[in-house]
Amino acid sequence: NAGVTQTPKFQVLKTGQSMTLQCAQDMNHEYMSWYRQDPGMGLRLIHYSVGAGITDQGEVPNGYNVSRSTTEDFPLRLLSAAPSQTSVYFCASRRSRAGQGVGGYTFGSGTRLTVV
Amino acid sequence: GENVEQHPSTLSVQEGDSAVIKCTYSDSASNYFPWYKQELGKGPQLIIDIRSNVGEKKDQRIAVTLNKTAKHFSLHITETQPEDSAVYFCAEALNTGFQKLVFGTGTRLLVSP
Repeated sequence: NAGVTQTPKFQVLKTGQSMTLQCAQDMNHEYMSWYRQDPGMGLRLIHYSVGAGITDQGEVPNGYNVSRSTTEDFPLRLLSAAPSQTSVYFCASRRSRAGQGVGGYTFGSGTRLTVV
Repeated sequence: GENVEQHPSTLSVQEGDSAVIKCTYSDSASNYFPWYKQELGKGPQLIIDIRSNVGEKKDQRIAVTLNKTAKHFSLHITETQPEDSAVYFCAEALNTGFQKLVFGTGTRLLVSP
C-alpha cells in the first residue's frame, strides 16, 4: 500500500510554461484534493473531487485545472505558470462519509515548485 | 470568510515539559477540528481530531480540548520527546460531505533534549 504518491518531488518552471503535477492513491479513496502551502499561510485548498468525473473549486483555484477520470488519479495542471505559483503542493485523499473506517486525510509528500 | 488563528508560531520546550498550541476559528458552523503534524520534507499527518459534540479527547500523550462558545480549541502534548519536534497545524471544517479544511498558519515545536 503506497498511500498517496506525488510526482515530481521538485520542479523548476519558467514563467508561461505549463506542467502537470501527478497524484495517485491506491486506497480506493473517493475524496481527493490539492492544497498549496506557502510560508506563514498554512495550507489552502485549490481544487477537490468527491469521485471520478466530479471536481470543484476550493479557496484558491485561479491558474489551476484538474480532472478526475479514475478513482486513483487526480492530476493538477498549471496552464501558464506564474511566479506567484511558487509553492509546495500537496495532494490528499480520504474515504467518503459512507465508507468504512473513515478517518482523516492522507497527504502525499509534496511537490516543491519554483517558477522563475 | 473562514479564518483560523494559531498561536504561538514557534514554541521551544525542554524534553519532558508540556506544550500547548491554541487555535481560534471564526465560522460558528464548523464542527470538525483536526490537528496535523508535519515533519521536515513530508506531508501533514493527522494526529488527533475532535468533533463539536465532545469537549475533550485524549490519545496517550496528546489531548485536544474544544470550547465551542469561545470558538477555541487547543492541542496539549505532555511529556514531550525530541521526536515531537515538527510543525503542527490546526484546522476546522464543516463535518459533512467533503470537509473543506481551513488550516491555521502552523506552530513550529522544538523539543530540546
